[in-house]
Amino acid sequence: DSGVTQTPKHLITATGQRVTLRCSPRSGDLSVYWYQQSLDQGLQFLIQYYNGEERAKGNILERFSAQQFPDLHSELNLSSLELGDSALYFCASSVDGRARQPQHFGDGTRLSIL
Amino acid sequence: AQTVTQSQPEMSVQEAETVTLSCTYDTSESDYYLFWYKQPPSRQMILVIRQEAYKQQNATENRFSVNFQKAAKSFSLKISDSQLGDAAMYFCAYRSAYGTQGGSEKLVFGKGTKLTVNP
Repeated sequence: DSGVTQTPKHLITATGQRVTLRCSPRSGDLSVYWYQQSLDQGLQFLIQYYNGEERAKGNILERFSAQQFPDLHSELNLSSLELGDSALYFCASSVDGRARQPQHFGDGTRLSIL
Repeated sequence: AQTVTQSQPEMSVQEAETVTLSCTYDTSESDYYLFWYKQPPSRQMILVIRQEAYKQQNATENRFSVNFQKAAKSFSLKISDSQLGDAAMYFCAYRSAYGTQGGSEKLVFGKGTKLTVNP
């Protein structure tokens, strides 16, 4: 158990819909990362938050947004969903975002778009 | 931008034997971290081993060890005494020590190697 909790584990929805994925980092971790794992793109970094502030953006679509709340949990919002958004979405956390600190991953949320 | 390449989409090994998974990376940076993550069918991402680029000594964690060749930009994973539970996807990942875009230390992953362990 990594200590990172992601909900829900599975999500099935239709094109055009909006969903919210939730992540609770390990106790004491200030930095949260979101990654997308798809068959064609592999594992790709989406966005990072550190202590409530956005720190970096990767290959995140404009239809996607995220935030980190004062209690440090994070949410990834995906809107106007398309078939290609079907993927496994991981949240990871680390103590302070410094490179030497390992990132610990949650079990992921499997998103299926019908 | 940094890239990570895993040239072996699939590998297989007999139980109790040794297998080596390959990884090469491309970077212009001198300080960085390299990781191997394991993803079993349960889809969890589990950190296997970590190497700091400024350390010449190869990292070891029980049956897992790496061969880090900085000049060649190579970072292979050796699994000794393979066990059935080692069967998984293995991902090599790079992380800058400097960060980009104002301090992000994101992980850059390779495409993965699927390891099968035969009894």
